[in-house]
Amino acid sequence: QSALTQPASVSGSPGQSITISCTGTSSDVGAYSYVSWYQQHPGKAPKLMIYDVTYRPSGVSNRFSGSKSGNTASLTISGLQAEDEADYYCSSYTSIYTYVFGTGTKVTVL
Amino acid sequence: QVQLQESGPGLVKPSETLSLTCAVSGASITSSWWSWVRQPPGEGLEWIGETSHRGTTHYNPSLKSRLSISVDKTNNQFSLKLTSVTAADTAVYKCVRNGVGGHAFDYWGQGALVTVSS
Repeated sequence: QSALTQPASVSGSPGQSITISCTGTSSDVGAYSYVSWYQQHPGKAPKLMIYDVTYRPSGVSNRFSGSKSGNTASLTISGLQAEDEADYYCSSYTSIYTYVFGTGTKVTVL
Repeated sequence: QVQLQESGPGLVKPSETLSLTCAVSGASITSSWWSWVRQPPGEGLEWIGETSHRGTTHYNPSLKSRLSISVDKTNNQFSLKLTSVTAADTAVYKCVRNGVGGHAFDYWGQGALVTVSS
């Protein structure tokens, strides 16, 4: 299985909105509503930000939102803050009962 | 509060077997599926495989021939064995709970760095 494709980097100014894409295939992203997103600060464990495409776990800011169209899922961060600077990974369940992560996106707050 | 803690050797010789255990506290091993994820230094996340409390497993196809994941309900832990390791298996290995919704990883261990070197 191939990693899901994400842009290597995305940047924005404080207060702006940015969107990170996650492109897979009809066997993973396009097949199920089981896309999740993770935030990882340097040296830290990943933190679940979005699950099942659009749902936020308790405690996650509503500035984070998820969506999906066809084989591409997206994470939008609104009102960008300095603390949002981190690496972000998407993940999807697949048709062969496995999971696949995205290539990762480095978010920079200018 | 669910906590996961990896343990095992930090250095493994090429061609030998990498073995790690994940101790779970704050939740029963029977409540969820449990996964292993690895991250080579400076690189991205790779899903390794998962186990249920009944011992049903699913593996990353690229690792399947070398991989075994097992569960120990008595001690509320699960384990990973990866045989015939090479330098490409050097990574931080993290144990994870497949929690909310059933298909998202909501609790992570801090990770254990395993270096493959002679």
